[in-house]
Amino acid sequence: GAVVSQHPSWVICKSGTSVKIECRSLDFQATTMFWYRQFPKQSLMLMATSNEGSKATYEQGVEKDKFLINHASLTLSTLTVTSAHPEDSSFYICSAYQADIAKNIQYFGAGTRLSVL
Amino acid sequence: AQKVTQAQTEISVVEKEDVTLDCVYETRDTTYYLFWYKQPPSGELVFLIRRNSFDEQNEISGRYSWNFQKSTSSFNFTITASQVVDSAVYFCALISMDSNYQLIWGAGTKLIIKP
Repeated sequence: GAVVSQHPSWVICKSGTSVKIECRSLDFQATTMFWYRQFPKQSLMLMATSNEGSKATYEQGVEKDKFLINHASLTLSTLTVTSAHPEDSSFYICSAYQADIAKNIQYFGAGTRLSVL
Repeated sequence: AQKVTQAQTEISVVEKEDVTLDCVYETRDTTYYLFWYKQPPSGELVFLIRRNSFDEQNEISGRYSWNFQKSTSSFNFTITASQVVDSAVYFCALISMDSNYQLIWGAGTKLIIKP
């Protein structure tokens, strides 16, 4: 299957600082990437859909100024949590969608555990 | 409306037992795709299978098998001769045009395999 790399896997930061998370598709071009948030013992919650070269589409209730998404190339999307606060602590996962839409498969990164002190 | 229901929150079995994880879905679309993903304690989501709505053939991959039945809107997953390494949370998901090709997730089933 396709490989998606997500970095960092774990980050601890002080309240008020910004954190950038990278998501890379290593062996395929991803015209679309998705960012999810997962709370303990819950399913994945879609935060935003990121298309290469255009602005991300955010789900209702997700603050676009808090969670900045950039999809500058076909292999890289970044999520920046700005002015992070303890309530932003969570597990963030990205997925990349193969350009061949007929496959309809999202491949996931390993996730990033964010702890805001 | 799109919906995926995994009624089993947690299942615990002893190693080598067979176990079936249930998944029931709702969609108005005639064309859709169903998925199973595995999330081990490390957190990474591992793609297991994709099935499109026009292919009702059951599939077997090693100890894993899937039973897709459109008549009951179910896509159940069976692990035969379970192993401790199968312990994980398993998610069933749906994609269709109605969902704008976004994954609609079930709540997940936590599977515990005891040695």
